[in-house]
Amino acid sequence: QQQVKQSPQSLIVQKGGISIINCAYENTAFDYFPWYQQFPGKGPALLIAIRPDVSEKKEGRFTISFNKSAKQFSLHIMDSQPGDSATYFCAARDNYGQNFVFGPGTRLSVLP
Amino acid sequence: EPEVTQTPSHQVTQMGQEVILRCVPISNHLYFYWYRQILGQKVEFLVSFYNNEISEKSEIFDDQFSVERPDGSNFTLKIRSTKLEDSAMYFCASKLDRNTGELFFGEGSRLTVL
Repeated sequence: QQQVKQSPQSLIVQKGGISIINCAYENTAFDYFPWYQQFPGKGPALLIAIRPDVSEKKEGRFTISFNKSAKQFSLHIMDSQPGDSATYFCAARDNYGQNFVFGPGTRLSVLP
Repeated sequence: EPEVTQTPSHQVTQMGQEVILRCVPISNHLYFYWYRQILGQKVEFLVSFYNNEISEKSEIFDDQFSVERPDGSNFTLKIRSTKLEDSAMYFCASKLDRNTGELFFGEGSRLTVL
């Protein structure tokens, strides 16, 4: 129940295209859903996050869509750039324990 | 911009040796975490720490692991007797308070057990 599922495992997108990564969870105690971006050799860095009381959050080219009833959320990267090439992790926070559970990651490659 | 700092960046050790990984969380943060990432794999939760005690730990965090906040700034992870499968990147993270969602990660400490 603590698991967060993520797909696809890897994604190749042409420059200017839309990258879409999907996540799903089971635990209804999760109350905060961040996306992290990780470049090789670096720690994960927060990209964008959403709370379950909203269905969408947009920051620049990055949008989170959240479906509370389906327990699913997704990251959309519009106008994808080669600099977006990284591994993306969705995560969920357990409000009770304050623990963060991470999805297995999606390796995104944006071709020039 | 405040950041989480970790030392060492890379440590190579022999199997069975003790290792201490050090972290300096962001100064006014109250929640501290250790995560592990085996090369190319998911970020796995090890332990969370709040108010000078462990809040939660995963199945990975067995008796070989311990954490300590020896002073007001450092947060350490000790592996008592390292195994080959402990080879991984270890990330420290901190969070301001209970209401804040954002988790700030350090750059990680790469542990190689030979």
